[in-house]
Amino acid sequence: DIQMTQSPSSLSASVGDRVTITCRASQGISNYLAWYQQRPGKVPKLLIYAASTLQSGVPSRFSGSGSGTDFTLTISSLQPEDVATYYCQKYNSAPRTFGPGTKVDIK
Amino acid sequence: EVQLVESGGGLVQPGGSLRLSCAASGFTFSSYAMHWVRQAPGKGLEYVSAISSNGGSTYHANSVKGRFTISRDNSKNTLYLQMGSLRAEDMAVYYCARAASSGWYAEDWGQGTLVTVSS
Repeated sequence: DIQMTQSPSSLSASVGDRVTITCRASQGISNYLAWYQQRPGKVPKLLIYAASTLQSGVPSRFSGSGSGTDFTLTISSLQPEDVATYYCQKYNSAPRTFGPGTKVDIK
Repeated sequence: EVQLVESGGGLVQPGGSLRLSCAASGFTFSSYAMHWVRQAPGKGLEYVSAISSNGGSTYHANSVKGRFTISRDNSKNTLYLQMGSLRAEDMAVYYCARAASSGWYAEDWGQGTLVTVSS
């Protein structure tokens, strides 16, 4: 099975900072990569699919890039409401594994 | 508006069984694949099971294979997860999620139902 890793596992940044989270697949998955946001105590929410397509309603400060095995999620200007854990997920084939998550908080 | 409402969670003893349901509304249920995803307390998301729109194709993670069965009743707009031989490590919030029409990622999520496995 393809394994998904994320780095860092957690980060602390200031409001307005640019934040980048990396997701890596152990084998190529083309662009079959989604990103989810889970705020504390809340349900996961889809942010990005097809590696770089922003889900409707998601603020434009979120962006995704990558293809193959290496992907990034970028928050261009961190806001207080972005405090959350972010997960990547491969969905090219089963098992549609999630990454372990990256916890983002405000410094 | 898409709504997914899970039910059926609760306290069960190790080795016991439970059936989760997910009532769907706001979309044509029979046109979409569906997922179950779980999250143990304080842990990350774990992909559990998936089923195609007509129920003809299913997937179960190795961790639940042979113990859990995903199914759906398109006439009732309901997704199910039959869970058996429950273990302490199955304790989690179980979310049902709707797959997107353009791929097997989870476009919409329910609020989740908590399954507690304890004697």
